[in-house]
Amino acid sequence: KAGVTQTPRYLIKTRGQQVTLSCSPISGHRSVSWYQQTPGQGLQFLFEYFSETQRNKGNFPGRFSGRQFSNSRSEMNVSTLELGDSALYLCASSLGQGTMNTEAFFGQGTRLTVV
Amino acid sequence: AQSVTQLDSHVSVSEGTPVLLRCNYSSSYSPSLFWYVQHPNKGLQLLLKYTSAATLVKGINGFEAEFKKSETSFHLTKPSAHMSDAAEYFCVVRDLNTPLVFGKGTRLSVIA
Repeated sequence: KAGVTQTPRYLIKTRGQQVTLSCSPISGHRSVSWYQQTPGQGLQFLFEYFSETQRNKGNFPGRFSGRQFSNSRSEMNVSTLELGDSALYLCASSLGQGTMNTEAFFGQGTRLTVV
Repeated sequence: AQSVTQLDSHVSVSEGTPVLLRCNYSSSYSPSLFWYVQHPNKGLQLLLKYTSAATLVKGINGFEAEFKKSETSFHLTKPSAHMSDAAEYFCVVRDLNTPLVFGKGTRLSVIA
């Protein structure tokens, strides 16, 4: 069974640009979550999607947005990039909501560098 | 709201000696608890999870953790450290229908 696939693995963007990151979950998983990882703030929750609906949202500005498609693939977009957006963005997939003990499986992440 | 405190930011052990990574949690309900490991430039890999079926949970690569409700702790242990165990370890808590909440991480160094 294929794992969680994130593309691209690395990105370099300029301040003010926008970026789109992609995540393909494990087959059969309907829930996708996104996390930002930085040395200073650690792992912070961005948003969670289940069956194309955003179920939870973290405390990030509106420049960060996401969506989920009918095949459960998800994208996140960051507009008007700032230097502080440089981070490792991790996507996690799980079977679905309502099951507390369902573990999340993570992709390798997308390393975004804003210059 | 739930939260996690990993009591040590860095732990250093000699190869072949026991490992103890400490984690305390706070939760309004009976939470799910997980330990994940992250090797450099890699994603997160699940080591083990607490499912409420047993307080002593066994995971991959010889790791185990004990859930102690009275102490709100979920410490991770391994009897004998291996060089390949050197990585960042995250304790994670989750309540029903809420996102995963991560601790700040503990960096484990293993000395030959």
